[in-house]
Amino acid sequence: AQSVTQLDSHVSVSEGTPVLLRCNYSSSYSPSLFWYVQHPNKGLQLLLKYTSAATLVKGINGFEAEFKKSETSFHLTKPSAHMSDAAEYFCVVSDQDFGNEKLTFGTGTRLTIIP
Amino acid sequence: GAGVSQSPSNKVTEKGKDVELRCDPISGHTALYWYRQSLGQGLEFLIYFQGNSAPDKSGLPSDRFSAERTGGSVSTLTIQRTQQEDSAVYLCASSTVVLRPTDTQYFGPGTRLTVL
Repeated sequence: AQSVTQLDSHVSVSEGTPVLLRCNYSSSYSPSLFWYVQHPNKGLQLLLKYTSAATLVKGINGFEAEFKKSETSFHLTKPSAHMSDAAEYFCVVSDQDFGNEKLTFGTGTRLTIIP
Repeated sequence: GAGVSQSPSNKVTEKGKDVELRCDPISGHTALYWYRQSLGQGLEFLIYFQGNSAPDKSGLPSDRFSAERTGGSVSTLTIQRTQQEDSAVYLCASSTVVLRPTDTQYFGPGTRLTVL
């Protein structure tokens, strides 16, 4: 069985400072991992995804994440926060069991940007 | 092109009534997914369709929930005899192929269901 743990339900950072949103996963297989963002009153948007290629994945809006198998982590980072980054972020793991694809979502991390 | 659309955007109903939620996927997408997001619970997978068939219904919370898809396009999620714990945002997503987990899922804006 697969699972995702987002270690912080709420993160606050000042504008212009680095962002770190933590995610740990467990999976029986080689996982695919995703980060989604949800802005208020908007649908989910894919930020980036890891699919067993390069372990450092670059996404949209300056976000990136590093897959660390030894630590079973897939933390999301951004060097400098912008006010528009305020949103809810979801870490997602997908089981690569063909014929039974299922995404498992973390509970989300709400990111607040302090002006 | 047009993205995934859902209707209604908001639905308020009384406990015990039936509701239907509609999803229009991106044209040509064979896979369609339903999720729900309850307050403090994160996103919960409900069901997915490959064409018109649903290989995996294990996420449906109870037999009051059902979903169908016709013509490989529009899908309807029906909740019978709604309960207050059904209150949530119901999200629909579509992708080109369901058997490859790396295929990107495109999400609609969701339907906010409130059961009084």
